[in-house]
Amino acid sequence: RKEVEQDPGPFNVPEGATVAFNCTYSNSASQSFFWYRQDCRKEPKLLMSVYSSGNEDGRFTAQLNRASQYISLLIRDSKLSDSATYLCVVNIRFGTDKLIFGTGTRLQVFP
Amino acid sequence: GAVVSQHPSWVICKSGTSVKIECRSLDFQATTMFWYRQFPKQSLMLMATSNEGSKATYEQGVEKDKFLINHASLTLSTLTVTSAHPEDSSFYICSAATSGAYNEQFFGPGTRLTVL
Repeated sequence: RKEVEQDPGPFNVPEGATVAFNCTYSNSASQSFFWYRQDCRKEPKLLMSVYSSGNEDGRFTAQLNRASQYISLLIRDSKLSDSATYLCVVNIRFGTDKLIFGTGTRLQVFP
Repeated sequence: GAVVSQHPSWVICKSGTSVKIECRSLDFQATTMFWYRQFPKQSLMLMATSNEGSKATYEQGVEKDKFLINHASLTLSTLTVTSAHPEDSSFYICSAATSGAYNEQFFGPGTRLTVL
């Protein structure tokens, strides 16, 4: 079983739609959680951290359920520029930080 | 701030040659640098963690004699792929972090290696 699992997609949605991505992780010792965005042939860029209380950044809302080991990302009012691969990432700390990446969920927003 | 550069951005080499990739933190001192590899349609996989002035810690399954890592200063780490083969063709990405708990890793733009 992969340490971080995501639906690879692709999710094809029209502009203005709301789309949700889910992620599960297997290591209960995971300490911190993130969503990264990766454009084709580019490096990943931090989109937002994810907190147990849930957090919002503009059109993006992230949620964490530690009991279920489940993370979500909600994108409202999708823009064409949101088209990318969204990576679910967990930080396992055993003396030093170690990021474990999911394979990503591909989003394609069409006009 | 928090810019990380990599050089070269892409490289094509013949099988059996060695390739060196540089990772630099341009505007901050990175006590720890990480090297990742990403094959097409797969996730980033951590290869090794390096701390300035000490030996790198390699992940299981990564050959330390094939992937030589040097972290000689707080702003520079290098990854050398020795005797490269076609199966080493991949996207190599470094990241850098400052010391302290839960510090963000800043990623370089990646190096695309193609071994013929």
